[in-house]
Amino acid sequence: ILNVEQSPQSLHVQEGDSTNFTCSFPSSNFYALHWYRWETAKSPEALFVMTLNGDEKKKGRISATLNTKEGYSYLYIKGSQPEDSATYLCAPMTTDSWGKLQFGAGTQVVVTP
Amino acid sequence: DAMVIQNPRYQVTQFGKPVTLSCSQTLNHNVMYWYQQKSSQAPKLLFHYYDKDFNNEADTPDNFQSRRPNTSFCFLDIRSPGLGDAAMYLCATSGPPLAGGETQYFGPGTRLLVL
Repeated sequence: ILNVEQSPQSLHVQEGDSTNFTCSFPSSNFYALHWYRWETAKSPEALFVMTLNGDEKKKGRISATLNTKEGYSYLYIKGSQPEDSATYLCAPMTTDSWGKLQFGAGTQVVVTP
Repeated sequence: DAMVIQNPRYQVTQFGKPVTLSCSQTLNHNVMYWYQQKSSQAPKLLFHYYDKDFNNEADTPDNFQSRRPNTSFCFLDIRSPGLGDAAMYLCATSGPPLAGGETQYFGPGTRLLVL
């Protein structure tokens, strides 16, 4: 079982402000890192799959970076909107675990108008 | 729209009374997963099916069983639910991992309450 840490556990953001949070994971046997967004009462939704060191991905106002050598990824939300309120889960995948996702506990983001 | 469906969304059962949660998919994916998520914790993989091949995680209690009668359906059976089994249960599907198909598609989950 991988030790996957996400910080902070939760954060409150004023509408229009930008924010970011972290996912840390062991760097050995790295294959890919997944980010999911999970809104209340909905299905977790895949945001990004990142595989290469230095990868940057962007989807609208949300972007992510990856450092596989030191084992961390940042997720950024620019100009937060209330619809960005969700729990953001990261899940690394390693080559020695058949490709199973090992989820962190998530960062809960609450955007207030 | 292709999707992963879980029924029911909320399930209440009594301590020790067997309960079955269901999952269906229209994505025609090879792999189906069951996760358990307790409050504020990481989703924890219980088991997965790769086609008909069942793979149990080492720390999944014997109380949890699964069936996959065909590609589309997968069931989670809890033989004797305890209070500690109250949780959100998530079903997910994917193509073959480590071959470009590893993005998992999730259902909305079933929240289980044990009285």
